Amino acid sequence: DSGVTQTPKHLITATGQRVTLRCSPRSGDLSVYWYQQSLDQGLQFLIHYYNGEERAKGNILERFSAQQFPDLHSELNLSSLELGDSALYFCASSVEVTNTEAFFGQGTRLTVV
Amino acid sequence: DQQVKQNSPSLSVQEGRISILNCDYTNSMFDYFLWYKKYPAEGPTFLISISSIKDKNEDGRFTVFLNKSAKHLSLHIVPSQPGDSAVYFCAASAPQNFGNEKLTFGTGTRLTIIP
Repeated sequence: DSGVTQTPKHLITATGQRVTLRCSPRSGDLSVYWYQQSLDQGLQFLIHYYNGEERAKGNILERFSAQQFPDLHSELNLSSLELGDSALYFCASSVEVTNTEAFFGQGTRLTVV
Repeated sequence: DQQVKQNSPSLSVQEGRISILNCDYTNSMFDYFLWYKKYPAEGPTFLISISSIKDKNEDGRFTVFLNKSAKHLSLHIVPSQPGDSAVYFCAASAPQNFGNEKLTFGTGTRLTIIP
């Protein structure tokens, strides 16, 4: 158990819909990172938050947004969903702003039908 | 543009032998490299890392070698055990503004240890 909690574990939704993925970092970790893993792909960095502030953006679509709340949990919002958004979405956390040795949650498997 | 490449999607090794997983990168700004291990239905788990100022780092059965001139790193597992069967991801990070870093992952190598 990495200490990072992601909910829900599985999500099936229709195209055009909007979903929210939730991540609770390890106790004491201030950094939260979101990654997307599509079929047969490596993990693609989406966005990084540190202590409530956005610190870095990767290949995140405009239809996607995220935030980190005062209690340090984070949400990733995916809207106008397309079939190609089906993927595993991982959240990771680390103590510092750098994400070396980040700890990953179990992921949320999103299926868009 | 795949900056971190794991060219072998899969690898099978006999139990007790050495497993060697390879990773190549193209971005010369990368200065920290990590290996993650992933079991099905679980998130990646950090395994071992190496800074670009070193060429070797060892932790028990796991050793990572870095060849900066060739932009190549490898993970050696010896002896290989059945519990090592998993997908292994190579990752790299580069310093960005104000010390922020993000991990760039390879596509993974599925290691199967044959009893």
